Amino acid sequence: GEDVEQSLFLSVREGDSSVINCTYTDSSSTYLYWYKQEPGAGLQLLTYIFSNMDMKQDQRLTVLLNKKDKHLSLRIADTQTGDSAIYFCAESRGNTGKLIFGQGTTLQVKP
Amino acid sequence: GAVVSQHPSRVICKSGTSVKIECRSLDFQATTMFWYRQFPKQSLMLMATSNEGSKATYEQGVEKDKFLINHASLTLSTLTVTSAHPEDSSFYICSARDALAKNIQYFGAGTRLSVL
Repeated sequence: GEDVEQSLFLSVREGDSSVINCTYTDSSSTYLYWYKQEPGAGLQLLTYIFSNMDMKQDQRLTVLLNKKDKHLSLRIADTQTGDSAIYFCAESRGNTGKLIFGQGTTLQVKP
Repeated sequence: GAVVSQHPSRVICKSGTSVKIECRSLDFQATTMFWYRQFPKQSLMLMATSNEGSKATYEQGVEKDKFLINHASLTLSTLTVTSAHPEDSSFYICSARDALAKNIQYFGAGTRLSVL
């Protein structure tokens, strides 16, 4: 199976919170990341968390890491239509810098 | 955040021609850059790791003679798709690893290659 897995689609109403989930398999992952991709564009780094942390908050974004269950989540508070995009989680292993990406979750925000 | 400039953003070429894609880190030094390929509605597939001043490391199944990578300076890596064919049509994205913050990679905007 995939090393990093995400659900493919999430639909929310504007103003609600969005929670995007990700699971990974490698317990040696050092950093975990969330990237945002808008249509036809590259990836924008949203936030990242070091593997020895449980939570990180940055304005509307909250990342939760459950290392025991190898589960990562991204919560977007007060979701806006501009948040509609594909969200990728990724894990980094060792010092190579290689990132292993999930399949991406398409977030649809309805007005 | 740091900026990675990738050019061209879109290229259409005839089968058999070669195409060069540039990836530049604009306000930081990148000893390592990565090249990815993304198919429609799919995730990013790592093609190769580009290290400044040395040969690139290619992932399994990626032809190094087909996808030539040069990383001649701390701010520039190039990917040349040689003798392109329609099956090479794809979205190519580069990323650059900050030499001072090695846990951070910044991505270019991508290049849409269409081979006729």
